[in-house]
Amino acid sequence: SQQGEEDPQALSIQEGENATMNCSYKTSINNLQWYRQNSGRGLVHLILIRSNEREKHSGRLRVTLDTSKKSSSLLITASRAADTASYFCATDAGGSNDYKLSFGAGTTVTVRA
Amino acid sequence: DGGITQSPKYLFRKEGQNVTLSCEQNLNHDAMYWYRQDPGQGLRLIYYSQIVNDFQKGDIAEGYSVSREKKESFPLTVTSAQKNPTAFYLCASSIGAGRINQPQHFGDGTRLSIL
Repeated sequence: SQQGEEDPQALSIQEGENATMNCSYKTSINNLQWYRQNSGRGLVHLILIRSNEREKHSGRLRVTLDTSKKSSSLLITASRAADTASYFCATDAGGSNDYKLSFGAGTTVTVRA
Repeated sequence: DGGITQSPKYLFRKEGQNVTLSCEQNLNHDAMYWYRQDPGQGLRLIYYSQIVNDFQKGDIAEGYSVSREKKESFPLTVTSAQKNPTAFYLCASSIGAGRINQPQHFGDGTRLSIL
């Protein structure tokens, strides 16, 4: 079952602008992960944030996590055409030793040159 | 280079036919997963395996079967019982072995269509 839900479903921005997308989930988690998928390809892991962390950075990516609101955001700064892709959040089941992840439906980002 | 290899890239199934999708990894990961992705949607878990010779059903296992006889291989069979098999199938792996908070590594998928 899908636990994470991304918002918006689609986003179109100009190159150089920032892109922000949000993820909400329903139950407690150990960690939340963000993945990117280029058209017709597999998913690529971007960043993992643990439930006791509030913010994490990786290059032009910034992820926040608010466990009280059960939500996360992914910010891509200074976007490039190569950032055009679908972005998915994924959550595990908190308190479990299970490795399963539940993925949301994704946000499709288009970066216009 | 370590990674996950899925084959074939494209596959066509006839009515009443079983087809098998291959997934091989050389990352020495214990856990492996099969997902189905329909257009414009997220990933739905079909089956997963946390260790060799063991696997569990995911959210949409009906019409599918798997085996895990070797650590590096996790083939998925789409049986004739799966009435709507047209989709993009993704295989993934993670370290497993009791270590949560690990990312999953994905192959490049197999696109299955009905003839």
